[in-house]
This record gives sequence, C-alpha cells and structure tokens, in this order.
Amino acid sequence: AQSVTQLGSHVSVSEGALVLLRCNYSSSVPPYLFWYVQYPNQGLQLLLKYTTGATLVKGINGFEAEFKKSETSFHLTKPSAHMSDAAEYFCAAGSGYALNFGKGTSLLVTP
Amino acid sequence: GAVVSQHPSWVICKSGTSVKIECRSLDFQATTMFWYRQFPKQSLMLMATSNEGSKATYEQGVEKDKFLINHASLTLSTLTVTSAHPEDSSFYICSASYRAGGELFFGEGSRLTVL
Repeated sequence: AQSVTQLGSHVSVSEGALVLLRCNYSSSVPPYLFWYVQYPNQGLQLLLKYTTGATLVKGINGFEAEFKKSETSFHLTKPSAHMSDAAEYFCAAGSGYALNFGKGTSLLVTP
Repeated sequence: GAVVSQHPSWVICKSGTSVKIECRSLDFQATTMFWYRQFPKQSLMLMATSNEGSKATYEQGVEKDKFLINHASLTLSTLTVTSAHPEDSSFYICSASYRAGGELFFGEGSRLTVL
C-alpha cells in the first residue's frame, strides 16, 4: 500500500510569490498521483493527476506538479500565488480505486 | 466532468438517533464508491469501500454496525450513522470513480453535528 507524506502542515506565501507544496509517496510501484484542493466546508476538487506519460503535469488554476520517480516525489507548484489560492491541499496516491491521502497542507496567501 | 452529489449538506441530530447520508453519481455509473470521514483540520480517513450489489468493505477500526453502508444501485450509496453520539460529529465525504485508477469525483460533503 502507498503512504503519502506532505511536508509542512502550513505554508504561507505572499501574493505573487512562488507556491511550493511538497509531497512524497512510498511505494515499490509508481502509483497514480493526485493533488486535490479543499475550500472550507466543501468537498475535494481535483487540481491535477499523474497516471502515465509526461512527468510534468499541468492542472487547473495555473498549478503544475512534476513526478520524480527517483525522489518518489510529486511536488505541487504555482509560479505566482493569488489570494484565491488560500485553501487546504491534499496529495493522494493510489494504484486502484481507493486513494491514500496525505495529511494536507494549509496554504495561506498574504497581501 | 462527472458529478457526485451528497445530501444533506448539513444535519443536526440528537444523540441516539440515526442519520442517513446519500451519495449519488449524477451522470455516470459508479460500481464503487468510497466513504471518508474528515475531522477538523485533518486529512480524509477512508471508512469503507461501497460496492454495488454487495457488502461494503470496512477499514480497520471502523464499526460496521455503527456505520451502515448500502450501495443499492450504480448511482446511489447511503451511509447511515446509527445511534449517533457527539463523537460521531464530523464531515463525511463520499467519492466515486468509473474506472480503477481514474479520477475520484467527490461529493460536497455532509457536516454532521450530534447534540
């Protein structure tokens, strides 16, 4: 089974600054990898996913993530943070239907 | 994209009563749905995997008699919290996918408060 580790439960960036949210997975077999965003009292919305093919994945709202097998990482980035990006972000991994989620990273964007 | 809808979004009940939460896939057939529980400021904890036409598969530590799951059709799964207590208060989220390894589509979540 895969486990997912998100480094940093809280990340604070200034508006316009680079966003970097870290995610590492542990699995002997590269899993499918996902990033989800959650706004207060709402469900999860998919930002992007990696299944096969190109290791740099582009998602919605300007986010992208790069799958690095050698580092077992799938970090999420965005070149320029916007106030509306403030939310909870979850990295998830799975090889079948069910996913294992990281503990989440709360992104705070300051003016 | 595919839509998963949960109902109700908010529910408040008295201790000892039972509460049913519905999860529907609106525009696709979901042979498998998942129920998660999320505590404040924490991640999602998988409670059970709901399979259409068969018994749900519960994760370790989840009481199957407490959290009854029924997946009666390809578009509907229900979670019933029986004899609810304040410690059952939580945010319950369902998800569904139409193929293995594919995107999981999440419902909006249901906030349960047990008084």
